[in-house]
Amino acid sequence: DGGITQSPKYLFRKEGQNVTLSCEQNLNHDAMYWYRQDPGQGLRLIYYSQIVNDFQKGDIAEGYSVSREKKESFPLTVTSAQKNPTAFYLCASSIGTGPSNQPQHFGDGTRLSIL
Amino acid sequence: GQQLNQSPQSMFIQEGEDVSMNCTSSSIFNTWLWYKQDPGEGPVLLIALYKAGELTSNGRLTAQFGITRKDSFLNISASIPSDVGIYFCAGQRTQGGSEKLVFGKGMKLTVNP
Repeated sequence: DGGITQSPKYLFRKEGQNVTLSCEQNLNHDAMYWYRQDPGQGLRLIYYSQIVNDFQKGDIAEGYSVSREKKESFPLTVTSAQKNPTAFYLCASSIGTGPSNQPQHFGDGTRLSIL
Repeated sequence: GQQLNQSPQSMFIQEGEDVSMNCTSSSIFNTWLWYKQDPGEGPVLLIALYKAGELTSNGRLTAQFGITRKDSFLNISASIPSDVGIYFCAGQRTQGGSEKLVFGKGMKLTVNP
């Protein structure tokens, strides 16, 4: 089945550690996104990528980094510079980001907690 | 970043009742999307609206793209227990040459059997 796979489902980080969240899609979508969700809040955009080897900062990029070496993969690294990393992280993809206005579809998320 | 004004924040209804929710913004959007999220899972797309004034149905769900392009509503008719969850609206617009989504804070729906 086509879809977006995020792993792991749960992740724990020690203070000062970097951790990487995986996002893979087999939908042949060009665009991929990372969002952060906090309790009682909507989703906030961290980074997005319109095409391989290109990515742009979203609204809350500080303390995060990404790469897009392959079309199907868009890993997110939460660095030690992110002072409040505990949150639910959602990856999404869409056919493209042009005016065709194709909706974004989401993975099932990774919950990151600090030990 | 901007967020949409979504209301109400929560609703408690009896099974079989209808429920309405809406989103408003001071900005114009090209597209309105409605998602449902179950606990511990990612949002699932319910309805996408692409034209001002558009009224679209998906089973018991009906949504409209406001004529001013600054608002949208979602109705659920004859609610059932599996309708429980958090409903998010999202507006899409062109910003910096890319299509960006702005989300509401969600409406938590509880359905009593």
